[in-house]
Amino acid sequence: GAVVSQHPSRVICKSGTSVKIECRSLDFQATTMFWYRQFPKQSLMLMATSNEGSKATYEQGVEKDKFLINHASLTLSTLTVTSAHPEDSSFYICSASPWSVGSSEQYFGPGTRLTVT
Amino acid sequence: AQSVAQPEDQVNVAEGNPLTVKCTYSVSGNPYLFWYVQYPNRGLQFLLKYITGDNLVKGSYGFEAEFNKSQTSFHLKKPSALVSDSALYFCAVRDTQAGTALIFGKGTTLSVSS
Repeated sequence: GAVVSQHPSRVICKSGTSVKIECRSLDFQATTMFWYRQFPKQSLMLMATSNEGSKATYEQGVEKDKFLINHASLTLSTLTVTSAHPEDSSFYICSASPWSVGSSEQYFGPGTRLTVT
Repeated sequence: AQSVAQPEDQVNVAEGNPLTVKCTYSVSGNPYLFWYVQYPNRGLQFLLKYITGDNLVKGSYGFEAEFNKSQTSFHLKKPSALVSDSALYFCAVRDTQAGTALIFGKGTTLSVSS
C-alpha cells in the first residue's frame, strides 16, 4: 500500500527558533498534500492544502507567514514553523492524495510531535 | 460547507459485545465517507470508506459501516468488540472532487473492558 513518511517524528525546539517538518510520499506521486494539526485528545484541524508547484491554500485563522509550506516536488512537502512559541506545540500530521483522476484515497503520515520550550 | 458530527465523546462496551460509534454528516451533493482509528501518539489508520455502491461497507479488523442517505449517517459497527479495539475513532467526509481535504469529526474514544 501507499506510504507517507514524516521527518522528524519528534522535535523539541526553543522558543523563537524555526522548525522544518518533511512529508514524503514514498511510492506514489502526490499533486496534493494536506497539513493537519491535532491538539491532545482533539480532532485533526486542516491547516492548509499544498499543491505541487503553486502556493499553498491556508484555512481561515492559520497564519501563512508563520506556517510556511513548500511543495517543491510530487513527493515532498515541507512545513516550516517559524519563530516557534510554546502555543505551537502540537501533533502535526500530513496526508497525500495520489495523482490520479477521481482518486478518493488519502494516505496519512505518522505525525510529528513538536514541543516548543 | 461540509461537516461531520460524532455525538459521543466516549463509548464504553464490554469485550464480546457489539459496538457502535455514531457519525452524521452534512455535505452538499454525494459524499465520500471514511473512518479512521488512532492509537496514542500515532498517526491515523484507515478502516473503511464509502464511495458508492453497497450501503454496507466492510473494512479492516472486522469493522463495518452503513451509509444511510436519508439519515445522513455513517455509523461504525463491529459485532464483537475486542479490548485491543480501544482507541480514538474519527469519522471524516470529503467532497467527491479530487484534491479536496478530509474534514474530520471531533473523534470518539472507544473503551472496551475485559
